[in-house]
Amino acid sequence: KQEVTQIPAALSVPEGENLVLNCSFTDSAIYNLQWFRQDPGKGLTSLLLIQSSQREQTSGRLNASLDKSSGRSTLYIAASQPGDSATYLCAVISGKLIFGQGTELSVKP
Amino acid sequence: EPEVTQTPSHQVTQMGQEVILRCVPISNHLYFYWYRQILGQKVEFLVSFYNNEISEKSEIFDDQFSVERPDGSNFTLKIRSTKLEDSAMYFCASKVDHSNQPQHFGDGTRLSIL
Repeated sequence: KQEVTQIPAALSVPEGENLVLNCSFTDSAIYNLQWFRQDPGKGLTSLLLIQSSQREQTSGRLNASLDKSSGRSTLYIAASQPGDSATYLCAVISGKLIFGQGTELSVKP
Repeated sequence: EPEVTQTPSHQVTQMGQEVILRCVPISNHLYFYWYRQILGQKVEFLVSFYNNEISEKSEIFDDQFSVERPDGSNFTLKIRSTKLEDSAMYFCASKVDHSNQPQHFGDGTRLSIL
C-alpha cells in the first residue's frame, strides 16, 4: 500500500531564505507527483506536476524534483516571502491522488 | 481561468440525516473525483468517476455514500445517513482526460455533523 510522508511537519523561516520541503513515498510505481498549496480553510491549489519520466519542474521561484528510484521528491522555494506561508502537500498519482500530511510553512517578515 | 465550484461552502446537518454535496467540474473535463480531509488529517481519496460510472473507490466509500452526475454539469456526493465521523472538508476535483494533466480542485465543502 502506498504511503506518502512529508518532512518536516512544520517549518518557520525568515523572509528571503531558500528552503526545501521533502516528500517520500514507498511505492515507486507512480504515474506522476503533484505539489499543492493549501491556505487555512481553503481548497488545494496545484503548484507543480512532475511526470514520472521527468526529473524536475520549475515555476517561478518554485522547483520540484522527483527521484522515483529512491521514492523522493523535493520542493525548493527560493527567496521565500510572507505570502508563501501555507501548508504544502505532495501527492503521488496512480490514477487517484495519495497525499502526504503536509508541511506547514511560516515565513516571518 | 475555468474552475471547479462546490456548493455549499459549509453544511451543518443533524446526525442520521442525508446530505448532498454539489460540484460543478470544469466544463470539458471527463474525470471526476471526491476527496475528504478530516480536520488535522491527510486528504483522502473517496471515489473516481468516469463515463457515468465509478472507476475506483476507497474503503471509506461504503454503502452510505453514492455519487451521481444527474445532468451535463453537476457531480454530486450523497451521504445517506450521516455519522459524526463524516464531519470533514469534502473536495471535488476534475481532470480533462486520462493523460498526464493535473486534477483541478474546488474550494471544498465543510460538512459539520451535529
